[in-house]
Amino acid sequence: EIVLTQSPDAMSLSPGERATLSCRASQNLGGKFVAWYQHKRGQPPRLLIYGASTRPTGITDRFTNSGSETDFTLTISRLEPEDSAVYYCQQNVSSPWTFGQGTRVDI
Amino acid sequence: QAQLEQSGPEVKKPGSSVKVSCKTVGDTFGSYSIHWVRQAAGQRPQWMGGIVPILGSTKFAQRFQGRLSLNVDESTTTVYMNLSSLTPEDTAIYFCVRVRLGVALLWGRGTLVTVSS
Repeated sequence: EIVLTQSPDAMSLSPGERATLSCRASQNLGGKFVAWYQHKRGQPPRLLIYGASTRPTGITDRFTNSGSETDFTLTISRLEPEDSAVYYCQQNVSSPWTFGQGTRVDI
Repeated sequence: QAQLEQSGPEVKKPGSSVKVSCKTVGDTFGSYSIHWVRQAAGQRPQWMGGIVPILGSTKFAQRFQGRLSLNVDESTTTVYMNLSSLTPEDTAIYFCVRVRLGVALLWGRGTLVTVSS
């Protein structure tokens, strides 16, 4: 099974700053990207971005996805207080689909 | 806009089974698949398996093979998840998710299942 390791475990930033979240896969994802989800307390997780740059309707372009092979990055630019949440990466290249352990972002 | 409505919290004894429902509201099943992801307290989400409602085909994580079943009621656009032989380690929030191309596009609000003697 592919293990996803996220770093850091948590970060505290100020509004307007940029957050860089890392997701490292234990195996090469072969040109595929991870998907990223945002999870706020008391709410269901929400898909942010997948593929190179596909965002669901309503998701701001402040969230961008980059990386390849085993190393992937979610960048959140111009942080807002509403961005406070836990962020998870997920791979669907091989079964079982797996998630990272999450990065908590406090604004 | 589609939403996924899940059934309420459950408390079960070890060794028993639990059945959780997930109703697609505001849309048909379409070509999406419905999967289940659970998350125990302080743990990462864990994918369990899924079903393509219009085909009835299923896919399960190996760790759940033999005790996880998924069923569809097309007339009510509801998917049912049944997990048997419960242990306290199965205590978690169970989310149904609408999936396409391996991406969880939409999540239900989750159902807390507590397994305790």
